[in-house]
Amino acid sequence: DIQMTQSPPSLSASLGDKVTITCQTSQNINKYIAWYQQKPGKAPRLLIGFTSRLVSGIPSRFSGSGSGRDYSFSISNVESEDIASYYCLQYDNSPWTFGGGTKLELK
Amino acid sequence: EVKLVESGGGLVQPGRSLKLSCAASGFSFNDYWMGWVRQAPGKGLEWIGEINQDSSTINYTPSLKDKFTISRDNAQNTLYLQMSKLGSEDTAIYYCASAGVNYGGMEDWGQGVMVTVSS
Repeated sequence: DIQMTQSPPSLSASLGDKVTITCQTSQNINKYIAWYQQKPGKAPRLLIGFTSRLVSGIPSRFSGSGSGRDYSFSISNVESEDIASYYCLQYDNSPWTFGGGTKLELK
Repeated sequence: EVKLVESGGGLVQPGRSLKLSCAASGFSFNDYWMGWVRQAPGKGLEWIGEINQDSSTINYTPSLKDKFTISRDNAQNTLYLQMSKLGSEDTAIYYCASAGVNYGGMEDWGQGVMVTVSS
């Protein structure tokens, strides 16, 4: 199985900050990584697929990049509605695997 | 509008079985891979497995392969998850999701259904 090391587990930010979350994989996943947002009591929502492909309707302050084994997800100009948990998912190889998650809180 | 609605959850005793359903609408169900993901209380997401369009390929996360069975009925636009030999570690919210063709990963998700394993 491909292991996903997501960091940091938690993040404290002020409104307007830029934050970055990283996922390192145990082997090359050929850019097949997606990023999800989950708010309490809600299902995850896909934000970005294939490393950097922003889902229609998702604000452009969300972005993703990376290649090989190293990937990152950023939110520029954090807004209050961005307070949530974020997860990466590799879908290059079965079984697909999620990162451990990052909880974004307001400072 | 894509809609996925899970049902069949609830309280079940340890060692028993339970079958979850996921009713799909708003898209051509038989054209998509589908899958299940679960989330234990206060924990992260765990991918359970996936099934292809004609059920000829089914993949599971290894630790659940002997306990869980994924199936689908394309005529009924419904995805299933049969769970057996349930233990407290299976207490979680179970989500069904469609595998993406536009962006990849799991694109559309149901609202989830709670399964509690307890005596």
